[in-house]
Amino acid sequence: GENVEQHPSTLSVQEGDSAVIKCTYSDSASNYFPWYKQELGKRPQLIIDIRSNVGEKKDQRIAVTLNKTAKHFSLHITETQPEDSAVYFCAAKYTNFGNEKLTFGTGTRLTIIP
Amino acid sequence: GAVVSQHPSWVICKSGTSVKIECRSLDFQATTMFWYRQFPKQSLMLMATSNEGSKATYEQGVEKDKFLINHASLTLSTLTVTSAHPEDSSFYICSANKGSYNEQFFGPGTRLTVL
Repeated sequence: GENVEQHPSTLSVQEGDSAVIKCTYSDSASNYFPWYKQELGKRPQLIIDIRSNVGEKKDQRIAVTLNKTAKHFSLHITETQPEDSAVYFCAAKYTNFGNEKLTFGTGTRLTIIP
Repeated sequence: GAVVSQHPSWVICKSGTSVKIECRSLDFQATTMFWYRQFPKQSLMLMATSNEGSKATYEQGVEKDKFLINHASLTLSTLTVTSAHPEDSSFYICSANKGSYNEQFFGPGTRLTVL
């Protein structure tokens, strides 16, 4: 089955600086890679996702890059703000009909220092 | 987006009792729902995939007789923790895919505390 590794486990950055979180996956068949943000005691919220036919996707201050050859993908947050502080999870799956299960990374606790 | 609800949001029970958690898709039909368990400061661990009208598919290491899943309709899946013990205390979260979209919509979670 799929195995997703995520690094770092904790990350502290100064407000306004950029944050990068990296994930690797094991199953070359995986073709969908979402990123979730989870605040304490809350549900995970999708912040951005990418499919394997695209190398990069950007949404305002958030971007994701995918390297299929190396089987890794990264989340980039620019101009970080205090409200970006949360736990971030990457995930991966092979999807055909949309009902396939996701495999999550171990999470990164991001702290933005004011 | 789509809305997934869970009930209850939190529950405290005595050891040995059973607890039922409901997961509902409010504005769409979900043939498949997923049940996760999340311990403090850990990732979401998939417990089982709930399929409407058929048996759930459990992940390795998850006891199907302890965690009973019923997906009786296209909008409701239930997870029953039977004979709960303190080690079952955790945050239980369900999710569902809307149609053929890849995005999983998560419920707000249920915090279970077993005394």
